[in-house]
Amino acid sequence: DIAMTQSPDSLAVSLGERATISCRSSQNILYTSNNRSYLAWYQQRPGQPPKLLIYWASTRESGVPARFSGSGSGAYFTLTISNLQAEDVAVYYCQQYYSTPFTFGGGTKVQIK
Amino acid sequence: QITLKESGPTLVKPTQTLTLTCTFSGFSLNTAGVAVGWIRQPPGKALEWLALLYWDDDKRYTPSLESRLTIAKDTSRGQVFLTLTNVDPVDTATYYCARKAVLIKGNWFDTWGQGLLVTVSS
Repeated sequence: DIAMTQSPDSLAVSLGERATISCRSSQNILYTSNNRSYLAWYQQRPGQPPKLLIYWASTRESGVPARFSGSGSGAYFTLTISNLQAEDVAVYYCQQYYSTPFTFGGGTKVQIK
Repeated sequence: QITLKESGPTLVKPTQTLTLTCTFSGFSLNTAGVAVGWIRQPPGKALEWLALLYWDDDKRYTPSLESRLTIAKDTSRGQVFLTLTNVDPVDTATYYCARKAVLIKGNWFDTWGQGLLVTVSS
């Protein structure tokens, strides 16, 4: 199984500031045939199901605000929330879909400072 | 509009079999690239992928639970089922069904149900 490790476990950021979340996979999840990293990011607000934010490590899902951006390749990835808004308070998960079982990271809780 | 909704028992006794139903609309499981999966989340914990059923009836399971899990579909009724045998209190979780992205190689989940909290207790 590919293990996904997120850091930090939680962080507090002031409104309007930037939040940065890291995700590391235990093996390379980049397919050289298409040069794509098989990684997605989700947001889970309290009491809600997860919501897809980003796939292919950096492609924003339709309707997701531009302040959410994903970067990275291979085994190291970052989710950046610029200009943090109150509605961004949530737990964020990364997921690899390179191979089954499709594993999730342990989550990063984002709060307002 | 794509929707998914989980249904089933909310309380199950240890050693019993849990059967969950995911009723979906807005897409067809006959379409190439489509799949429906199950993911669970114990209270206060992270997400755990359980199983995935593809349009061509290919099935994938998480190895740690594969001997206890069965995923199946009734395409005509727009339903996917998940069976978990010999449940234990550690199986207490919110169970989500979700649609995999239609792209053949895109095994991320673009639409989720609201989830169903299942408690295993005697």
